[in-house]
Amino acid sequence: GQQVMQIPQYQHVQEGEDFTTYCNSSTTLSNIQWYKQRPGGHPVFLIQLVKSGEVKKQKRLTFQFGEAKKNSSLHITATQTTDVGTYFCAGVPGGSYIPTFGRGTSLIVHP
Amino acid sequence: NAGVTQTPKFRVLKTGQSMTLLCAQDMNHEYMYWYRQDPGMGLRLIHYSVGEGTTAKGEVPDGYNVSRLKKQNFLLGLESAAPSQTSVYFCASSLVRGDVDTQYFGPGTRLTVL
Repeated sequence: GQQVMQIPQYQHVQEGEDFTTYCNSSTTLSNIQWYKQRPGGHPVFLIQLVKSGEVKKQKRLTFQFGEAKKNSSLHITATQTTDVGTYFCAGVPGGSYIPTFGRGTSLIVHP
Repeated sequence: NAGVTQTPKFRVLKTGQSMTLLCAQDMNHEYMYWYRQDPGMGLRLIHYSVGEGTTAKGEVPDGYNVSRLKKQNFLLGLESAAPSQTSVYFCASSLVRGDVDTQYFGPGTRLTVL
């Protein structure tokens, strides 16, 4: 079955440093979604990427979808304490609407 | 709109007991999902439904049953709870239109099986 690998599992940064999490799928995807889960909370949708090579930005967050539609990344510039949480990617294979979630990357920001 | 709600928020069971978790959504979404979340394991799909009266197995379906008798409700049942089912359970729903299939999650149910 489809596998979605996400690295790193944890990332400690000093406030103001940048952060990147990477997601790789074993199969070609129709789209990839990113979610954020604050400690003690539930996953909240951030963005969906559909097109090969697509890049989208949300303020300090930059999302990329690879040319082969098998990998993606989330980059946060100048992290803030409000960025703390676990970031999940979810890959949707072609011909399906059912996503497979990566294991997530937990971001810890030290003030 | 309440979005996605889950009942109960917390529950403690003894091994062998049964229970039902209720998920309700008021967004008229066709797709609904049950996930479990364990430390370091991300979100694993238990069962899902693509419409009223339909259900399908996900990645980790053993020990669970589901029903979708009404479009807005998705029930997750544990017939004989085991300690391995101690987890946080999330329900989600999605509106599938073309390329758009964003998932909306409920607040979760924290289940402990002793």
